[in-house]
Amino acid sequence: DGGITQSPKYLFRKEGQNVTLSCEQNLNHDAMYWYRQDPGQGLRLIYYSQIVNDFQKGDIAEGYSVSREKKESFPLTVTSAQKNPTAFYLCASSFRDGPYEQYFGPGTRLTVT
Amino acid sequence: AQTVTQSQPEMSVQEAETVTLSCTYDTSENNYYLFWYKQPPSRQMILVIRQEAYKQQNATENRFSVNFQKAAKSFSLKISDSQLGDTAMYFCAFMKYTGANSKLTFGKGITLSVRP
Repeated sequence: DGGITQSPKYLFRKEGQNVTLSCEQNLNHDAMYWYRQDPGQGLRLIYYSQIVNDFQKGDIAEGYSVSREKKESFPLTVTSAQKNPTAFYLCASSFRDGPYEQYFGPGTRLTVT
Repeated sequence: AQTVTQSQPEMSVQEAETVTLSCTYDTSENNYYLFWYKQPPSRQMILVIRQEAYKQQNATENRFSVNFQKAAKSFSLKISDSQLGDTAMYFCAFMKYTGANSKLTFGKGITLSVRP
């Protein structure tokens, strides 16, 4: 079945540690995205990538880093520099040249204490 | 910058009835897309419906339809024959048509409860 997978579903880390969230897709999509969701807020864009080995900052990129070495994979690292890392993280993907709707993975709930 | 506003934080509807969720947006663009996404308690984001700004005809998908008013910058979602499975958060989203840089801007969402 085609889709987007994110692992793990729940992640717990101590403050000061870096943590990497996984996102894989087998939809042959060119573009991939990372969003953060906090209670009472919509989704905010962290980073996105339109092609392999290229990515751009979104609206809230500080304290995060990404890589895009393969078309299917777009891991997100939450660094110790991120001041409020506890949140729900969603990965999405889409075709670069249309149709433009984005499809989402199931999300990862990160808790940092 | 584009903004998307969903002014109703919560709504409730009786099963089998019709409900309309409101969304307004602000943009100076002429070519763009609008979307409604559903997020049930599982937190999986599901695309409900999309509308291209250049199309005058309102999009429909089974029980879901939109009322797109381009001049008023309004994009409401109507859910007919509401079902218990429609209980979810609903997000309105805007995408400027730039081809290779198609970023989504989301509203803050509305929580819809369908009562049995």
